[in-house]
Amino acid sequence: SYELTQPPSVSVSPGQTASLTCSGDKLGDKFASWYQQRPGQSPVLVIYQDTKRPSGIPERFSGSNSGNTATLTISGTQAMDEADYYCQAWDASIVAFGEGTKLTVL
Amino acid sequence: EVQLVESGGGLVQPGGSLRLSCAASGFSFNDYNLIWVRQAPGKGLEWLSYISSSSGTIYYGDSVKGRLSISRDNAKNSLFLQMYNLRAEDTAVYYCARDFPESDAFDIWGQGTVVTVSS
Repeated sequence: SYELTQPPSVSVSPGQTASLTCSGDKLGDKFASWYQQRPGQSPVLVIYQDTKRPSGIPERFSGSNSGNTATLTISGTQAMDEADYYCQAWDASIVAFGEGTKLTVL
Repeated sequence: EVQLVESGGGLVQPGGSLRLSCAASGFSFNDYNLIWVRQAPGKGLEWLSYISSSSGTIYYGDSVKGRLSISRDNAKNSLFLQMYNLRAEDTAVYYCARDFPESDAFDIWGQGTVVTVSS
């Protein structure tokens, strides 16, 4: 199996920058993706191929991936960004998800 | 509208079986790979299985290998997950999702169907 590790929770003040990390063995050699999941809703893809944003995702969402760590950065965080965030990567024939980070905007 | 809609969830007794379906619309179903993912109450996302567009490649997660069978019917734009010997820990919301080609990501998710395993 392939493990991705995320901090359980991150807090940020409105308008500030939130950085969410995801660690895995040689993760930088793979493509990392990020999903946002608001309570009671399905996951939504917000970053793919480390840095790319799907259509409709605000520019305040950005990503990076190097070494063993991928990072999702939310600039100018808004209240609507409060959600669970999951990283994901492929390892051979396995799809791995991180345990998720609960982002609190307060 | 591009859409995936799961169905088939419900209450099942331990040791029972269940077949979930995922109906696709708004895109060329037979061009896309698909996965099943579940989420236990209060827990994170757990990948279960992957099937390629032609059904030629299938993968299963270690935690469910041997108790699940994924399949698809491209003529009916449908994906399936057959689950066997269900346990209480299989209680979860089950999602199907579409592979975003050449991105290693999944761009369209269904709304989920709830499976409860209990006597």
